[in-house]
Formats: sequence, structure tokens, C-alpha cells
Amino acid sequence: RKEVEQDPGPFNVPEGATVAFNCTYSNSASQSFFWYRQDCRKEPKLLMSVYSSGNEDGRFTAQLNRASQYISLLIRDSKLSDSATYLCVVRGNQGGKLIFGQGTELSVKP
Amino acid sequence: DVKVTQSSRYLVKRTGEKVFLECVQDMDHENMFWYRQDPGLGLRLIYFSYDVKMKEKGDIPEGYSVSREKKERFSLILESASTNQTSMYLCASSRELREGQYFGPGTRLTVT
Repeated sequence: RKEVEQDPGPFNVPEGATVAFNCTYSNSASQSFFWYRQDCRKEPKLLMSVYSSGNEDGRFTAQLNRASQYISLLIRDSKLSDSATYLCVVRGNQGGKLIFGQGTELSVKP
Repeated sequence: DVKVTQSSRYLVKRTGEKVFLECVQDMDHENMFWYRQDPGLGLRLIYFSYDVKMKEKGDIPEGYSVSREKKERFSLILESASTNQTSMYLCASSRELREGQYFGPGTRLTVT
């Protein structure tokens, strides 16, 4: 079983749609959680950290359920520029090591 | 803004050559990391460093070494490049371990 699992997609959605990505992690002792975005042939960019209380940044909302070991990212009113691969990332209990999911590809169409 | 720079965007080397990949960050971050990213395998941690002259092995350190002589600079060394080291190499840094990491633009290395 992979340490961090994501649906690879692709998710093809029209502009303005709401799209949700899910992620599960296997290590219950994981400490920190993040969503990154990666454009084709570019580096991953930190989108947002994920907190137990849930957090929002504009059109993006992240949720964490520690009991179910589940993380989600919701994108509202999607834009063409949101097209990218979204990486679910978890920091375990061994220092700063990050575990990356395989990524979920999103394609927003006009 | 955090700035992480890498010495080359594209590099082509021959099998057996010694290869140096340089990474510099300008935010006085304590922690620096080297990853490689391959299709179907995602990002994998090669080495990381919590402080100057300190290094720790990641998941796939074989065939690589690192050097951190100054806080802002973290070098990845391929002692004798092989074709299976053809990959995208990404450097990252973070201020604290619990925080997210910031990545450089990557070096796409091809070993022929």
C-alpha cells in the first residue's frame, strides 16, 4: 500500500465548476499536511498547508480528517489557470521528510 | 518570496562522469533537500540536511553524495553518472521541518 494515495485522474471539468480531490495516508503518526500544485515540466509549488480545523484560501478549501487519515482539496469556480497536477503531501514523524502522492491531474476547459 | 535557484535547467552528461548539481536558497533556511522526480514514481527523497555540514540519507541515496559547506548552498554529487540517473532533480528548502518546502526550478539531467 502506498503511503499517500490519490486518484490520478485526469479530472476534466468546465470553467466555473467545483472540483474535489481526495487523498489518504497510511501513517497515523503523520504530523503535517500540504497541497502542492505542479504545472507541466515545472517545479511543485506550495498551494496551502492543511490544518485539522480546515482552512480556506480564496477559492481553495482544504480539509483534514485525522481519524480517517483523509485529506481533501476543494476548488470552487475553477479557472483555466487551475489546470495542473495537484500533489497531496504528508510529513511523517521522522523529521522533515515529506511523502508525496502521485498527483491528480486537473484540466479545466473553456 | 523564497527563492531557490539551481545551477542548470538542462544538463547532458556521459556515463561515468562526475556530476555536480548546485542549489542555493536566499531565505536563510535551515533545511535543504534533494529529490528526483520520474514518471510513475513521483518525487523521491535522495538526501537532506538540517544544518551546515550535516546530512541525512533519504529513500534513494545510492549513487549520490551531498555537500553542505554553507547554509545557503546544498550540492548533489553523482560520483559516476549512470543512465538510470537520468531524471529531473529538484532542490527544496524549508525554515522549519513542520513547514512546507519550497522548490527550485529543477535540473533535467540526461546521462548518455
